[in-house]
Amino acid sequence: DIQMTQSPSTLSASVGDRVTITCRTSQSISSWLAWYQQKPGKAPKLLIYKASSLESGVPSRFSGSGSGTEFTLTISSLQPDDFATYYCQQYNSYFPTFGQGTKVEIK
Amino acid sequence: EVQLLESGGGLVQPGGSLRLSCAASGFTFSSYAMSWVRQAPGQGLEWVSGISGSGGNTYYADSVKGRFTVSRDNSKNTLHLQMNSLRADDTAVYYCARDHAPGHSGWYAGDYWGQGTLVTVSS
Repeated sequence: DIQMTQSPSTLSASVGDRVTITCRTSQSISSWLAWYQQKPGKAPKLLIYKASSLESGVPSRFSGSGSGTEFTLTISSLQPDDFATYYCQQYNSYFPTFGQGTKVEIK
Repeated sequence: EVQLLESGGGLVQPGGSLRLSCAASGFTFSSYAMSWVRQAPGQGLEWVSGISGSGGNTYYADSVKGRFTVSRDNSKNTLHLQMNSLRADDTAVYYCARDHAPGHSGWYAGDYWGQGTLVTVSS
């Protein structure tokens, strides 16, 4: 199995801040990585697929980068609606795995 | 409008069985791989099982292999998860999710998700 390591596990930030979340994989996955946002009691929402492709309808302040084993999700200017938990997910095979999540909290 | 609606969750004793269903609408169901993803209370996301659009290819996480069976009825636009030999650590909200692009043999990433159904395994 491909192991996922997300960091940090918790992040405190203010509205307007630039936020970066990192995801590392135990082996190379090319660009087969997705990012999700999840709010309490709700289903995950796809933000980014194939490492850097923005899902339709997702604000352009979200961006993804990376390839191989290291990936980042960046929120260029944090908005009140962005306080949530973020997960990375690899799909290098048909046995996907998720990172443990990063909770973005209000500072 | 794409919609996914799970049902079938509930309270079951350890060792028992449960069958989850996911009713899909608003898209050509048979063209998309589907998956079940679960989330234990207060925990992260765990992929459980996936199935190709035709139903000919199925995939399972090691944690459920041999106990869970995924299937689909494309004539009824419905996805199922038969769960047997349930354990306390199977307690979770179970989501069904559509693959983000048609035609894949397996599920890559989920662009549409249901609201989830809670499965509680307890005596």
